[in-house]
Amino acid sequence: DAGVIQSPRHEVTEMGQEVTLRCKPISGHNSLFWYRQTMMRGLELLIYFNNNVPIDDSGMPEDRFSAKMPNASFSTLKIQPSEPRDSAVYFCASRPTVANTEAFFGQGTRLTVV
Amino acid sequence: SQQGEEDPQALSIQEGENATMNCSYKTSINNLQWYRQNSGRGLVHLILIRSNEREKHSGRLRVTLDTSKKSSSLLITASRAADTASYFCATAPSNTGTASKLTFGTGTRLQVTL
Repeated sequence: DAGVIQSPRHEVTEMGQEVTLRCKPISGHNSLFWYRQTMMRGLELLIYFNNNVPIDDSGMPEDRFSAKMPNASFSTLKIQPSEPRDSAVYFCASRPTVANTEAFFGQGTRLTVV
Repeated sequence: SQQGEEDPQALSIQEGENATMNCSYKTSINNLQWYRQNSGRGLVHLILIRSNEREKHSGRLRVTLDTSKKSSSLLITASRAADTASYFCATAPSNTGTASKLTFGTGTRLQVTL
């Protein structure tokens, strides 16, 4: 398996534009997580899905952020409109939905909003 | 919000020395995991310790868990320059079953010099 695949790896956009980040989890992993990492706030859990259903979105910063998982092999994180403070590295991770298992991370998307 | 706090925030040692990092958390857990992150990369799982375990070894890694103190430590023995990275603890809370989320601490930046 190629691991968790995120795209794009880097994204530079202007303030106010819509940004869509994509994630393909490892096949057979039923849990998917979106994290945001910044120097100031560390690694924050934004939302996680189990069997394509959002379980906890309490970490989503505001209504400008939305996440979907239309099927078991694809998820998106959308920011509309984007703001400079959204600049961060966004990670997607997946794991099997069984007890005591590790999470596998993608390489991340570095987002810069200018 | 972050569940764990790592201590120290940064650690600089010489090759061959041991490195000890500590993690404190707030709620009851199913397990605690340690991850490593090289600069600009995603997180990689190192070791998982279950709530009913007190100590676990994997190669040069030794992890301890004290659930009464809600704390864990990661010991890297005979460190190498290649161990230079950030290390994070992550907890899976016990009240969410197998679909549990993983919440990460603030991380310890380890620098191993020759």
